Amino acid sequence: AQKITQTQPGMFVQEKEAVTLDCTYDTSDPSYGLFWYKQPSSGEMIFLIYQGSYDQQNATEGRYSLNFQKARKSANLVISASQLGDSAMYFCAMRENNAGNMLTFGGGTRLMVKP
Amino acid sequence: IAGITQAPTSQILAAGRRMTLRCTQDMRHNAMYWYRQDLGLGLRLIHYSNTAGTTGKGEVPDGYSVSRANTDDFPLTLASAVPSQTSVYFCASSRWGDNEQFFGPGTRLTVL
Repeated sequence: AQKITQTQPGMFVQEKEAVTLDCTYDTSDPSYGLFWYKQPSSGEMIFLIYQGSYDQQNATEGRYSLNFQKARKSANLVISASQLGDSAMYFCAMRENNAGNMLTFGGGTRLMVKP
Repeated sequence: IAGITQAPTSQILAAGRRMTLRCTQDMRHNAMYWYRQDLGLGLRLIHYSNTAGTTGKGEVPDGYSVSRANTDDFPLTLASAVPSQTSVYFCASSRWGDNEQFFGPGTRLTVL
């Protein structure tokens, strides 16, 4: 079974609007972390945000927030006030503590911001 | 240098040839990783090293080998390249237990 599932291969959002990118995960490890990375067309991987499985509050980093619903095993990324520079691939990833420091990635979502 | 460097940036290689992708980090991170990125599949872990002198297999290790002689360098070798190894290869590093993995700029490899 897929450990990380991103069901939206591509999405459009109007500039200045908010957008939610979906991510569901599968693990039996009680201790894990969830990550979001951005990959612009230039190719580099940029870390955006992290959520630990025991964190009580949803993580936020500037315009990025992570909507963590543990019972549903979802970790959706919310980008507020979209900008043209947000157009990129977005990857959700998970680190399971019983698997060391390794990340398992989803297939990604391509976000396109319309002016 | 600051961060992670990878070399070469891109390479076209004939099938059957041997190739080593280089990765160097200057952050004194103890853990390093090699991923490959294929369209629609995200990044998949090939090999990793938690500390100098140790390595481990990831999700897709077949056809690849790694070594970790020191903290800074983590080369990935394709002993006899095949076309299915055409991909973009990313090296990454992290401090053990830290949340963030830092990624290099990637190497685009084409095997013909």
